Amino acid sequence: EIVLTQSPGTLSLSPGERATLSCRASQSVSNNYLVWYQQKPGQAPRLLIYDASSRATGIPDRFSGSGSGTDFTLTISRLEPEDFAVYYCQQYGGSPFTFGPGTKVDIK
Amino acid sequence: EVQVVESGGGLVQPGGSLRLSCAASGFNFDSYAINWVRQAPGKGLEWISAITNSGGTTYYADSVKGRFTISRDNSKNTVYLQMNSLRAEDTAIYYCAKEQIAIRPRSGNDCWGQGTPVTVSS
Repeated sequence: EIVLTQSPGTLSLSPGERATLSCRASQSVSNNYLVWYQQKPGQAPRLLIYDASSRATGIPDRFSGSGSGTDFTLTISRLEPEDFAVYYCQQYGGSPFTFGPGTKVDIK
Repeated sequence: EVQVVESGGGLVQPGGSLRLSCAASGFNFDSYAINWVRQAPGKGLEWISAITNSGGTTYYADSVKGRFTISRDNSKNTVYLQMNSLRAEDTAIYYCAKEQIAIRPRSGNDCWGQGTPVTVSS
């Protein structure tokens, strides 16, 4: 089983700042099948990034994904008020398709 | 409108069974893989099962393998999750989610239901 570790656990930032979230896998994620989701309280997750770096339909370009192998990053270039949420990475490189524990981005 | 709607959750005693349903509409159902993901109260997301578009291949998390069974009926645009031998730790909101790219699974889930709550308690 591939274990995903996300850091930091909580990121406290102000609107307009840059957010950098990390997702590290215990072994290489094949084909870089790594996705990122955003979840707000009481809502279902929203797909942001797939294949490590491709933005899903309708996702603003301030969201970008990068990385390969075992190290992946989600960057939000300038935080908007609606971006404060919990972010999860998930790997599809091999079953079981595990999630990371999440990074909470909150308002400083 | 593309949507998936879960149903079948509820309160069940430990050791009991439930069958969840995921009814889909607004897209070519038989072209898309479907996943089940759960979230325990105040906790993170846990992927638990997936089924390919044809139903020919299924996947399970270790925590549910041997107890849960995923299936689909493409004539009814519905995916099912049969849950047996339920435990307290299965208490969660259960989400059904559609993969975003037809035929090609492992592309992330772009359409999620509102979730159906399952509580396992005596």
